[in-house]
Amino acid sequence: GAGVSQTPSNKVTEKGKYVELRCDPISGHTALYWYRQSLGQGPEFLIYFQGTGAADDSGLPNDRFFAVRPEGSVSTLKIQRTERGDSAVYLCASSLVLAGELFFGEGSRLTVL
Amino acid sequence: AQRVTQPEKLLSVFKGAPVELKCNYSYSGSPELFWYVQYSRQRLQLLLRHISRESIKGFTADLNKGETSFHLKKPFAQEEDSAMYYCALSANRDDKIIFGKGTRLHILP
Repeated sequence: GAGVSQTPSNKVTEKGKYVELRCDPISGHTALYWYRQSLGQGPEFLIYFQGTGAADDSGLPNDRFFAVRPEGSVSTLKIQRTERGDSAVYLCASSLVLAGELFFGEGSRLTVL
Repeated sequence: AQRVTQPEKLLSVFKGAPVELKCNYSYSGSPELFWYVQYSRQRLQLLLRHISRESIKGFTADLNKGETSFHLKKPFAQEEDSAMYYCALSANRDDKIIFGKGTRLHILP
C-alpha cells in the first residue's frame, strides 16, 4: 500500500510569509509525528498526535508553529511569519500505535529566503 | 529530560571488519530504544528495537541499563551497510520518540 505522503516536497518562500506543509499518513495509523531536520542534525521532535488531539506539542519552537489533524488522518503543519532559521527538512511519520515503528515520509524541504 | 547521544559523526570501517555504532541515553526510567537507518536517497526506516531482540541484516543491539547504552553491532561489515544511523528513545509507550544526531557509517572496500 501507499506509504506516508508529504506535500510539497520542496517549498521556497520569502521571510515573513505563511507556509503550510501537509502529511498523509498510512491508512489506519492513529499516531502521527512531525520532526524537523536541519543539515547535519538528527530529526528534532516537534509534535505528535494520537487521533485528532495533540498528545505532546512540547517540541514546537514558538507560537509561530502550529499543527492540526482535524479528522484524525491528514495533518497540516503551519508556520507563520517564516524566518530564515526555519529552513530545514520537515519530516512526518505515522505509527499504528504510540512508540511503535515509525513510517516516515520523504520530507518537505523548506527554504526561507 | 531525555537525551540521546551518538558521539561519532562519522565512522569508517573496512568491509569484513566489525562495526560498533555507539549510543548513550539519559533517562532514569526504563526506556524503549530503537535504531533507525537512512540509506542514500531512501526514507528513514526502522532497523531494530530492543524489545524485539531481533537481528536485522546482521545487526544486533543490547540495552545496557547500567551504562545507559544501546550500541549497534555487526560482526562483519558489508558495503551495503553504508548509511546514516540514528539511535532513538521513547520514555514509555505513550511518549514521544526522540533521536540522536546520527552517525554516518562508511564501509571502505
